[in-house]
Amino acid sequence: SQTIHQWPATLVQPVGSPLSLECTVEGTSNPNLYWYRQAAGRGLQLLFYSVGIGQISSEVPQNLSASRPQDRQFILSSKKLLLSDSGFYLCAWSVGTGSLETQYFGPGTRLLVL
Amino acid sequence: QQQVKQSPQSLIVQKGGISIINCAYENTAFDYFPWYQQFPGKGPALLIAIRPDVSEKKEGRFTISFNKSAKQFSLHIMDSQPGDSATYFCARGNTDKLIFGTGTRLQVFP
Repeated sequence: SQTIHQWPATLVQPVGSPLSLECTVEGTSNPNLYWYRQAAGRGLQLLFYSVGIGQISSEVPQNLSASRPQDRQFILSSKKLLLSDSGFYLCAWSVGTGSLETQYFGPGTRLLVL
Repeated sequence: QQQVKQSPQSLIVQKGGISIINCAYENTAFDYFPWYQQFPGKGPALLIAIRPDVSEKKEGRFTISFNKSAKQFSLHIMDSQPGDSATYFCARGNTDKLIFGTGTRLQVFP
């Protein structure tokens, strides 16, 4: 069966510090991978998605970046965190394109920037 | 980023009542309309989904109604239970990505 891991589960970082969040998927090959941010009381904002190794599409301009060094690994990074980067970061994966695509979400990382 | 407008933002329903959440979209170039359910501190999980060639889909107490001409779709939860208390997101998608609504926080009281 497929599983998705995210770490760390929670993170408190000072403003201006770097960030690295990691997401890995097991039990599937060549998944589509996604990073979302969910601010308190708000919806899911798609940040990045990837359909293959080294292929990253950015949805929202910001100080975050994403990389996919391996087929089932997706990393979200920042060189300098801002207060507005606080939120709940969710990684998700899916397989296939077109109709009835289902995304499977990880447990999330709660980031607090102080 | 193209929007999906979701309402209401929050909803309080008594146990046994009907919960109704509505979503509206603009662009018709999408062929998949799922609903996700999220419990506090967890990632969202797919609840039910519909394609635009179908006007209604029912799974247990959950029903999606789709109105293509009005560009609207809605989730009905019949006989709402306290265990249904969660945040619900509608979404629309095609090919590689989904665009989510802003979410509705549902609270069902005994």
